[in-house]
Amino acid sequence: DAKTTQPPSMDCAEGRAANLPCNHSTISGNEYVYWYRQIHSQGPQYIIHGLKNNETNEMASLIITEDRKSSTLILPHATLRDTAVYYCIVRGAFGYALNFGKGTSLLVTP
Amino acid sequence: GAGVSQSPRYKVAKRGQDVALRCDPISGHVSLFWYQQALGQGPEFLTYFQNEAQLDKSGLPSDRFFAERPEGSVSTLKIQRTQQEDSAVYLCASSLEAGPSYEQYFGPGTRLTVT
Repeated sequence: DAKTTQPPSMDCAEGRAANLPCNHSTISGNEYVYWYRQIHSQGPQYIIHGLKNNETNEMASLIITEDRKSSTLILPHATLRDTAVYYCIVRGAFGYALNFGKGTSLLVTP
Repeated sequence: GAGVSQSPRYKVAKRGQDVALRCDPISGHVSLFWYQQALGQGPEFLTYFQNEAQLDKSGLPSDRFFAERPEGSVSTLKIQRTQQEDSAVYLCASSLEAGPSYEQYFGPGTRLTVT
């Protein structure tokens, strides 16, 4: 599975959009981009995933660039409860295991 | 509906003791995964089941670690002769299928402390 690069930490003001970037320049055509988050002392929580097209659900939006080498997770109106570590994961056609890496620690401030 | 549940939530074991950690996946989920998360690190894959078959155990750190899922639902991760380096959170996840388009849902984890 392709490797991902994320900034180690980010801040966001409550009520503003949080835009979390992820680089996956070696991604191949059949690999999915997944986002999970982990709030302190809890198990990872699935957020969203996509292959080529942008995706939106009740939690977030996923924007994947046309060349698929990077993506952005958007939390449209961040709340204090969105403070967590966010993991961007690339998952291949035969890759059932999730490779979490180090993630981005997002701090939402009042 | 009910999510993935794990028990116990916390376990303290003396070095050398055996422990058993239980995972109840979401009903109907064929695939089940175990991960280990050391303090300050992301989760790391241990093993994977498709129904009752253990298809990949490449992440198990030693032969003291053993996992089973005899009836294709509940799974148990057993650690024999625990060592201090086994202290970690053990996470279980399940998914409808194993393919890359199927998301994995995680339980709350079992925090194991070996003293």
